[in-house]
Amino acid sequence: EAQVTQNPRYLITVTGKKLTVTCSQNMNHEYMSWYRQDPGLGLRQIYYSMNVEVTDKGDVPEGYKVSRKEKRNFPLILESPSPNQTSLYFCASSLGTANGYTFGSGTRLTVV
Amino acid sequence: AQSVTQPDIHITVSEGASLELRCNYSYGATPYLFWYVQSPGQGLQLLLKYFSGDTLVQGIKGFEAEFKRSQSSFNLRKPSVHWSDAAEYFCAVFLNDRGSTLGRLYFGRGTQLTVWP
Repeated sequence: EAQVTQNPRYLITVTGKKLTVTCSQNMNHEYMSWYRQDPGLGLRQIYYSMNVEVTDKGDVPEGYKVSRKEKRNFPLILESPSPNQTSLYFCASSLGTANGYTFGSGTRLTVV
Repeated sequence: AQSVTQPDIHITVSEGASLELRCNYSYGATPYLFWYVQSPGQGLQLLLKYFSGDTLVQGIKGFEAEFKRSQSSFNLRKPSVHWSDAAEYFCAVFLNDRGSTLGRLYFGRGTQLTVWP
């Protein structure tokens, strides 16, 4: 089954403790992206990647890092999480064109 | 700059009533337009999309949307709402990078739909 898999689904952590949210897709998509969803703000893009070793900032990249060492994986790294990063995070992959966006099920992160 | 605007934060309708959710975009050329739905605790599901051609597009779950270039709008409609339609709805626009078929997907802030029995 074609899918985007995010882990974990839920995470509670403390301020400053590094964490990684994983994202993996099995569709051989070149394009992957991370969004955060906050009430009243919709989904805002954090980072995206057009291909292996090619990443670029989205609209809200501060406090996040990403890497794209292989096509299927696109982890989101929070080196020093802060409470304002408490949010619902979605990973997406696509062919990069307007067609074929697939979203993961989301990761709800709480930073205390 | 905000590429897509959803003017209504929250809409309440009675079950069986008609529904229209508004979406406006700001972009010179005709963009690629989408509507997604997010049920409580769930991910995003694509309802429908518009790329070109017929300006009235049909989607899943009985939804349709009409692209109006003159109004820069892509409003979502349903003739008769069911209680299961209660969810958050997002309009999105795909914008190409200059000279490329590649680009990015931008979302509106969402409209929360409540359905009264």
